[in-house]
Amino acid sequence: EAQVTQNPRYLITVTGKKLTVTCSQNMNHEYMSWYRQDPGLGLRQIYYSMNVEVTDKGDVPEGYKVSRKEKRNFPLILESPSPNQTSLYFCASTPGYTDTQYFGPGTRLTVL
Amino acid sequence: AQSVSQHNHHVILSEAASLELGCNYSYGGTVNLFWYVQYPGQHLQLLLKYFSGDPLVKGIKGFEAEFIKSKFSFNLRKPSVQWSDTAEYFCAVTTYSSASKIIFGSGTRLSIRP
Repeated sequence: EAQVTQNPRYLITVTGKKLTVTCSQNMNHEYMSWYRQDPGLGLRQIYYSMNVEVTDKGDVPEGYKVSRKEKRNFPLILESPSPNQTSLYFCASTPGYTDTQYFGPGTRLTVL
Repeated sequence: AQSVSQHNHHVILSEAASLELGCNYSYGGTVNLFWYVQYPGQHLQLLLKYFSGDPLVKGIKGFEAEFIKSKFSFNLRKPSVQWSDTAEYFCAVTTYSSASKIIFGSGTRLSIRP
């Protein structure tokens, strides 16, 4: 089944404790993105990747890092999480950057 | 700067009512347009999309949208809503510029009274 998976689905952590949210897709898509969803703000793009080892900042990259060492995986790293990063995070992949986005199930992160 | 506006933040309708959700974008070049839906507790999924051709696009579950280039709009419509249409709806635009990116609107929450 074609899908985007994310782990963990729920995470509660404390300020400053490094964490990684994994994202994997099995559709051989070149493009992958991370978004955060906040009430009233819709989805805002954090980072995106056009291919292996090629990444670029989205609209809200501060406090986040990404890597793309393999085509299927695109982890999101929070080196020192802060409470304002409490949000719902979605990973997505797409065959072409202007094409349909396929979203993962989301990761609800709470930073205390 | 490019942007997408969804002016209806929360729409409440009764079953069988007609629906129209507004979406306007600000970009003068070629665009691809999308409507995504997020049912409660679920991830976003594509409802319909417009790339080119007939500006009236039909999607899943009886939804349709019309691209009006002169108005920079891509409004979503459904003639008769059902309780199961309760969800959040997001309009999105991708552009063919040197800095191609996808821009989402802030979303419209649709509540259907049974």
